[in-house]
Parts: sequence; structure tokens; C-alpha cells
Amino acid sequence: EDQVTQSPEALRLQEGESSSLNCSYTVSGLRGLFWYRQDPGKGPEFLFTLYSAGEEKEKERLKATLTKKESFLHITAPKPEDSATYLCAVQPGSSSNTGKLIFGQGTTLQVKP
Amino acid sequence: DTAVSQTPKYLVTQMGNDKSIKCEQNLGHDTMYWYKQDSKKFLKIMFSYNNKELIINETVPNRFSPKSPDKAHLNLHINSLELGDSAVYFCASSQVYGGGETQYFGPGTRLLVL
Repeated sequence: EDQVTQSPEALRLQEGESSSLNCSYTVSGLRGLFWYRQDPGKGPEFLFTLYSAGEEKEKERLKATLTKKESFLHITAPKPEDSATYLCAVQPGSSSNTGKLIFGQGTTLQVKP
Repeated sequence: DTAVSQTPKYLVTQMGNDKSIKCEQNLGHDTMYWYKQDSKKFLKIMFSYNNKELIINETVPNRFSPKSPDKAHLNLHINSLELGDSAVYFCASSQVYGGGETQYFGPGTRLLVL
């Protein structure tokens, strides 16, 4: 069964304290792995798409990496405005005729000044 | 210039009522989706449409009926609302589907059934 698990569920950091969020997945063929940011009361905001193991993408203080079993979202020197819930999702090969995304439960990040 | 928009933003109603949620995208995408986010923030797909044709119906009760009048709009009608329908409903769209295309989400409709 296709599955996505994110850890930790919650993470508290001091401003400037770098850390990583984990997304472990089990899928039958990977079409794409997606990272989204969700602020309270808002919709998921797209961050990155990764397609194959070894791929990396960066945006400001965020860097996403991908292996065959997991993805990491590295946050370097976070600021309070990085506080949000970060969602990981995969599109399995079995979804090639539907586009369905399977989401993890999210990691809620709080960055204190 | 909102990419994916939904109305209403909030919806409070009584059990047994019928309600609709509307979604519009101005990205020129061919595929649109409805997702449900429960109280634990877990997002799960409900439906997807490509060019007004249903692709996915993810074991959703038939009280939920999506309708796509054109490829820029995907509405969700819910009959005989139940307490368990309380959740946040998100509309999303993508250029096409199945090839790892990015899905862009709307702001959500917060439904509370009393």
C-alpha cells in the first residue's frame, strides 16, 4: 500500500537553529514527491517537486533532497516567519492515470525569536 | 489575480441540509481536484476531473457530487450533511495529471455541520 510518513509531528527551534524534516514513503513507482507549506487557515503553498533519487532543490533557507525511500527538508538558520506546517506528498506510479497525491500528516514547525 | 479561488470561505450549517462549494482556477489547467482535510490536518483526495470528465472518485459517499461546467470550474455539492462532514475542503488544479505535475491549491472552505 502506498504510504507517506512525516517526522517529527512537531518541531520547535530557536531562530537560527538549523534542522531537518523527514518524509518517508513507500510507493509503487514514484512520479513525483512534493513539499508544501501550509499556514494556519490557508491552503497548501507549493515549495518543491523532486522526481528522482539524488535530486536536490533550494529556495531561500529551504533545501529539499530525495533518496529512494525518503526526502528531507533542510531548514538553514530559520526565522520566525518560517513557522508553518510542512506537508509532504507523493504521486505514485499507480496514480499515473489519476494524478492522485498521497499526503503525509505534516510537521508543524515553530521558530522562536 | 488569484490562481485558485473557492467560495465560500466559511460554511456553517445544520445536519440534513444541502450545500455547495464553488472553485475556479485561472491558470489554464486541464485538471482539477477536491481534497478533504480532517481535524488532524490529514489531506485526502476525493475527486479529480480532467477537461470536465471524472477521473477519480475516491470512495466518497454518493451524498457528495462534483460538477464541472467547464475546465476552469469544479463545484462540490453535498446532500444531507452529516456531523462527520465537518472539515476543510480544498480545491486544487494541475496542468495535466499523472506525470508528476504540481498541484496548486485554493484557500479552502471551512465547513462546520451542527
